[in-house]
Amino acid sequence: DTAVSQTPKYLVTQMGNDKSIKCEQNLGHDTMYWYKQDSKKFLKIMFSYNNKELIINETVPNRFSPKSPDKAHLNLHINSLELGDSAVYFCASSLTLGSGYTFGSGTRLTVV
Amino acid sequence: KQEVTQIPAALSVPEGENLVLNCSFTDSAIYNLQWFRQDPGKGLTSLLLIQSSQREQTSGRLNASLDKSSGRSTLYIAASQPGDSATYLCAGKETSGSRLTFGEGTQLTVNP
Repeated sequence: DTAVSQTPKYLVTQMGNDKSIKCEQNLGHDTMYWYKQDSKKFLKIMFSYNNKELIINETVPNRFSPKSPDKAHLNLHINSLELGDSAVYFCASSLTLGSGYTFGSGTRLTVV
Repeated sequence: KQEVTQIPAALSVPEGENLVLNCSFTDSAIYNLQWFRQDPGKGLTSLLLIQSSQREQTSGRLNASLDKSSGRSTLYIAASQPGDSATYLCAGKETSGSRLTFGEGTQLTVNP
């Protein structure tokens, strides 16, 4: 299946831990994104990569570090997790910078 | 900075009714606008993408329009069905390289 795949789907962890969320797309898209959906269901951009190059870096804590080893992958590493990091994190991709987006199914992160 | 607003926040209709969901954006120099559907606990499914040069797009029972001069987009759903129940999100892009800015969504319930 052609899709944007995120792992894990659910992640429960303790405060202070470091965790990673992986994202892969097999659509041949050039651009990938990370979005955060908070408890009020509002979606907000975190990062955007085009051809492995960071092009959007919103005001997120530097505990969040994206890594794009190639065009098909954009992973999100989070250090020293805090309670406020609990949210659903969505990966997305688009063919080019101006194209429509395809979203993954999300990773529900719960920090306890 | 683009801001996107959706009205109403929630809508409940009987099955078979035609309905309109509204989306407003602040910057008329919009590059494109995309409508998504999100089912509870799921990811986002792209419904329609309208480029700035287009006035509307249609897919099955869905029709989305774009009026840049008034800063509005509407999503028309014909002959609504219980399976249409979901949260509908609109999102606008200012330029090809900018972020996709989301509205807060309209939660639609279609009652059998």
